[in-house]
Amino acid sequence: LAKTTQPISMDSYEGQEVNITCSHNNIATNDYITWYQQFPSQGPRFIIQGYKTKVTNEVASLFIPADRKSSTLSLPRVSLSDTAVYYCLVGDQAGTALIFGKGTTLSVSS
Amino acid sequence: NAGVTQTPKFQVLKTGQSMTLQCAQDMNHEYMSWYRQDPGMGLRLIHYSVGAGITDQGEVPNGYNVSRSTTEDFPLRLLSAAPSQTSVYFCASRDDRGRGELFFGEGSRLTVL
Repeated sequence: LAKTTQPISMDSYEGQEVNITCSHNNIATNDYITWYQQFPSQGPRFIIQGYKTKVTNEVASLFIPADRKSSTLSLPRVSLSDTAVYYCLVGDQAGTALIFGKGTTLSVSS
Repeated sequence: NAGVTQTPKFQVLKTGQSMTLQCAQDMNHEYMSWYRQDPGMGLRLIHYSVGAGITDQGEVPNGYNVSRSTTEDFPLRLLSAAPSQTSVYFCASRDDRGRGELFFGEGSRLTVL
C-alpha cells in the first residue's frame, strides 16, 4: 500500500490560490491518486482523481508529474467555505484497502 | 438513492457492553469499509469487504468484528467496548466499476464510559 505524506496544515486568505502537495514515493503502476475534502462532523467527499499529467474539474485541478511520486491539488480563489481537511489517497480502482493519511487542514481567513 | 446510511448517529456505552453499528448502501457497491476517526486525527481503516462473504482487516481491526452476508449491509460489532473505542465511525462504499470514488455515511459518534 502506497503511503502518502502531506503538510499538516496550511493557511490562506480568501481569493488566493492554494496548492497542497502530497508525496507518494512508492506508488504502483495501477494506482490512481484521489483527493477528498472533509468538513467537521461529516464524512469525506470526493474532489478529484487523476493518473498522470493534469486533471481539472469545476472545483479543483490536480497536477501529477511524470514520475508520479507526488501530486498537487490546486484550489483556485479559495473562500471561507473551503476551510476543511484535505486527504490524498493512492490506490487502484479494484477493491483494495484504501488507507487515509493524516490529511492537510486548510484554514481560509478573510 | 439514499447512499450510505449509518445507524445509530450517537451512542453511549459502558465498558464491557457490546453493540453493533449498522451500515447500509443502496448503490449496489461491492466494496464497503469502516473507518474510525479520533479528534484531530485522520481516518483509520478498521475492516473492509470486497463483496458478500468476503471481509479483511484494515489498520486497526482489534476489538471489532464484521460480516458481509449481503451486498447492501456491512455491520460493525464491538464485542466488549473499551474507552479506547470512543470515536466517530464512518462507513464507506465504493463503486469499483468507475473511478473508485468512496461514498461516506454521516458517521456514528460512539462514547464508551
